Amino acid sequence: QLQLQESGPGLVKPSETLSLTCTVSGGSISTANYYWGWIRQPPGKGLEWIGNIYYSGGTYYNPSLKSRVTISVDTSKNQFSLKLSSVTAADTAVYYCARHKMAWFDPWGQGTLVTVSS
Amino acid sequence: DIQMTQSPSSLSASVGDRVTITCRASQSISSHLNWYQQKPGKAPKLLIYAASSLQSGVPSRFSGRGSGTDFTLTISTLQPEDFATYYCQQSYSTLMYTFGPGTKLQIK
Repeated sequence: QLQLQESGPGLVKPSETLSLTCTVSGGSISTANYYWGWIRQPPGKGLEWIGNIYYSGGTYYNPSLKSRVTISVDTSKNQFSLKLSSVTAADTAVYYCARHKMAWFDPWGQGTLVTVSS
Repeated sequence: DIQMTQSPSSLSASVGDRVTITCRASQSISSHLNWYQQKPGKAPKLLIYAASSLQSGVPSRFSGRGSGTDFTLTISTLQPEDFATYYCQQSYSTLMYTFGPGTKLQIK
């Protein structure tokens, strides 16, 4: 059974870079036709797609975040990562990683709360 | 960008009720519409993909319909474990996936 697990600091200072990693277990991140994505959810609010990556490294990002986002993949570790630069309080959210199959996200990791505060 | 709206934003219902949630897209998205269920403190769970296909393991009381701009998620007979927030998500625009604002289903 495929499982995803987010990891990274739970507290980031304003203007710094948020860095998270998603570890995939129970399956290979190098499986053809699957993308791997990041989605976030501010406390008490809805879901916002951040971006996706293919195992070969191809990416596409939410245009509203594109200037600050980098998603990368490490197939040897079966992981993919998110970096979000110049964070502000508005970036405080639960960050989820998920497999992107065809056009939907399934399964999802449990999520990790990242708070931006000094 | 394709904007997604949902109605109602919240809904109170009783166990055993039939419930329908509506999702509307700002432009036609064919059948590129997915539904998720989220319980408090948990990650979203895929229920329906491609507007009407039931994800494996999801109870058959959940069903989805629609195409173009208007879509519905119906729960035929509400169970206690169905009280949650439901989100739709369009996958027509592959460069910008967007979710609806959610519908919170509460116990009456």
